[in-house]
Order: sequence, then C-alpha cells, then structure tokens
Amino acid sequence: DTAVSQTPKYLVTQMGNDKSIKCEQNLGHDTMYWYKQDSKKFLKIMFSYNNKELIINETVPNRFSPKSPDKAHLNLHINSLELGDSAVYFCASSRNGADTQYFGPGTRLTVL
Amino acid sequence: GENVEQHPSTLSVQEGDSAVIKCTYSDSASNYFPWYKQELGKRPQLIIDIRSNVGEKKDQRIAVTLNKTAKHFSLHITETQPEDSAVYFCAASGDYKLSFGAGTTVTVRA
Repeated sequence: DTAVSQTPKYLVTQMGNDKSIKCEQNLGHDTMYWYKQDSKKFLKIMFSYNNKELIINETVPNRFSPKSPDKAHLNLHINSLELGDSAVYFCASSRNGADTQYFGPGTRLTVL
Repeated sequence: GENVEQHPSTLSVQEGDSAVIKCTYSDSASNYFPWYKQELGKRPQLIIDIRSNVGEKKDQRIAVTLNKTAKHFSLHITETQPEDSAVYFCAASGDYKLSFGAGTTVTVRA
C-alpha cells in the first residue's frame, strides 16, 4: 500500500557514471516533484511535473534529466556524476500544484 | 522567488515543556503553509498545515498560527515527548512549488 515509492534506496557509484532513480505514486496525483537534501538537511526543489509536463526546473545542471512517462511516474537520470551530487533525493507527489505533498522514502546517492 | 527563513536552527527542551518554531516568508502570494517532521533517516512527513484564509489551526498537541500581514507563521508543540525529537521544516507554497525553511532540530530531554 506504499503511496510514493522510489528505487533504489541506496546508490553508490563512481564519478563520471550515469545513473537513474525511479519514482512511482499510486495516489492518483497529478503533480510530482524531485527534491535534493544535502548533508546540512536543506530540502531544495529540483523539478516539478504536472500531468507529465515540466512546470518547474530550478537551475539544476543539465546533467539532471527528469522523465515522466505517465503521471504516476517521474524518473530522474543523472549523467556524468560528480562528488557534489552526493545527497538524498526525494520524490514527492500532490493532488495538484497547491496541495499537500507526500514524500517517497528517499534515495541516498553516494558518488565516490 | 519565495524565501523562507526558519528559527531557531536547533532547539532543546525538557520533556513536558513547549517548543515554538518560527518562520517568515517573502512572497505575499503564498497561500499554503505546511509543516513537516523528519526523523533520522526517514522521509519528511506532514504534521499540520494551514491555508491563508485561516489564522490558527490545532491538532492535539500541535498548533500552527499564521499572520499574513507580517508574513510569518509558527509551530507550537505542547507537552513535548521524546518522540517529538526530529527535524522540523516549515514551507510556503504558491503554485507547483514548496519553498522550505532550513529546518529546526528539536531535541526533547527526558
């Protein structure tokens, strides 16, 4: 009965590699998000999608490319990983752009 | 864009005492103000929220107040318990975007 799920939970990889994180929500929500939480716990929005359309792209390097195959899924692909990409990435969803957001369990990415 | 400031960054209280966290926001168009609790290694979870047409909301030991004129809102936790220890985030929302405060680490001493 998981509402917002992400895979993988942990991801350890070398600098320069390309990796993907997947997110799925079964709440029937129209809007999905990706957040980055750094070591200082600050939560920063990266992207927002509404009905598969990109709404917000917050000055994220173009090495990060979100993809929404349908409104229940929002995946994040990262090219040429850098040390500074190490963080916890949270997916979230909401009924619409102004409603309560529900977070996934997070993906802890470590770049060596 | 929206800028949310949150104070204090850390808060230590004796069990049974109250805890208050304050936030200010910059965008007068923001109309939704949720509070999230994040325990160590877990996801942020909504504990209470308030919309701009309401000045105060209470849910058991937790209450939130909103002053739209001054653009600030606060979280009040009464009768704190050890399980209240966590990081608390305030946020302000317009359309499609939540801007978070930097978080307050609350420690409840037994």
